[in-house]
Amino acid sequence: AQSVSQHNHHVILSEAASLELGCNYSYGGTVNLFWYVQYPGQHLQLLLKYFSGDPLVKGIKGFEAEFIKSKFSFNLRKPSVQWSDTAEYFCAVRGNSGYALNFGKGTSLLVTP
Amino acid sequence: NAGVTQTPKFRVLKTGQSMTLLCAQDMNHEYMYWYRQDPGMGLRLIHYSVGEGTTAKGEVPDGYNVSRLKKQNFLLGLESAAPSQTSVYFCASSYTTLIGDTQYFGPGTRLTVL
Repeated sequence: AQSVSQHNHHVILSEAASLELGCNYSYGGTVNLFWYVQYPGQHLQLLLKYFSGDPLVKGIKGFEAEFIKSKFSFNLRKPSVQWSDTAEYFCAVRGNSGYALNFGKGTSLLVTP
Repeated sequence: NAGVTQTPKFRVLKTGQSMTLLCAQDMNHEYMYWYRQDPGMGLRLIHYSVGEGTTAKGEVPDGYNVSRLKKQNFLLGLESAAPSQTSVYFCASSYTTLIGDTQYFGPGTRLTVL
């Protein structure tokens, strides 16, 4: 079965620390890859996406992600987190044979001052 | 553009009651989706639509029905609500390009079934 796995369910970092959130998927074909962020009490917002081309994609608010096809991974990174990055982060994958997104279970990030 | 809007924002139902959640988008997107979000579960697809008049089942369709009578609207119905349907419901819409599509989400509806 197709699945999306996020390795860390809860992450706590101090401000200015570096962030890396892992995401692995189990699709065999061409995929579209996404990271969404959900700030407390708000709806999902798109951070970044990968469709094709350069496997290192840059998104909003200083986030970036790298698609490594051989590892079926799409990890999210940020060099220096801020308190305002406290949120839940979701990795999502869409296979080219389907319409819907399959989401990971999410990673809750808490950034402390 | 308002993007994707959902009504209502909050609702409390008693077991067995029915209700309809409305999703509207003004981006002329072909595809629309209903997800539910539960703690520790991420988002799970309930139903989706690839065009006006068409609907299809997602991962967790039981207990829900949908209709897409107009391109801009996608309705989610609960005929007989159950406590297991307590959740936050998100609607999304998207368009497809040659290389992929991006889903845009509404603000959510928080539903509690007592």
